[in-house]
Amino acid sequence: DTGVSQDPRHKITKRGQNVTFRCDPISEHNRLYWYRQTLGQGPEFLTYFQNEAQLEKSRLLSDRFSAERPKGSFSTLEIQRTEQGDSAMYLCASRTGTGGRAFFGQGTRLTVV
Amino acid sequence: AQSVTQLGSHVSVSEGALVLLRCNYSSSVPPYLFWYVQYPNQGLQLLLKYTTGATLVKGINGFEAEFKKSETSFHLTKPSAHMSDAAEYFCAVSDQNNNDMRFGAGTRLTVKP
Repeated sequence: DTGVSQDPRHKITKRGQNVTFRCDPISEHNRLYWYRQTLGQGPEFLTYFQNEAQLEKSRLLSDRFSAERPKGSFSTLEIQRTEQGDSAMYLCASRTGTGGRAFFGQGTRLTVV
Repeated sequence: AQSVTQLGSHVSVSEGALVLLRCNYSSSVPPYLFWYVQYPNQGLQLLLKYTTGATLVKGINGFEAEFKKSETSFHLTKPSAHMSDAAEYFCAVSDQNNNDMRFGAGTRLTVKP
């Protein structure tokens, strides 16, 4: 499978715990994006990388959230001290340069109980 | 920064009827525009995109959209709805430097038999 893959697909955690999600983009894509989607809403931009550089972070990304993309390949999104409001689908996408369409993973559904 | 407004969170049509999903964008620079579809429990899939050139863009499954700069619109249409078109549709915009992509809130399409 040469698409974008995300792991895990589902995560249930207790409030206050830390969680980490992984995204493996399409190998030749230099841009990688993280979005959060809650029920009935469109994907909300969180952050994006060009290669290993994190170029933009949304104000939605509080200091409990951190994302990395070491070596410009896979990326991780960590949420520390999870809150119930963090429950959402976390989507990863990757794309190439000018005009490139974004390919999305199937997302990680986080439930904080 | 770019933004997208999708008019109507829910559209219902009869099978065989015209589908019209509205999208207006805001961008200070020439935009790239996209329509994505999301079926239940699946990731986002690209329907079509506008980058440059012809303003009427044809996509998969019989959908098309027209970029109208004067109206800042990129409405999605399909002449005849099929039951399988029932899904959530998202309009998205990015700048031509391929920086972050922003989504609308989505329109849920219901197709009645």
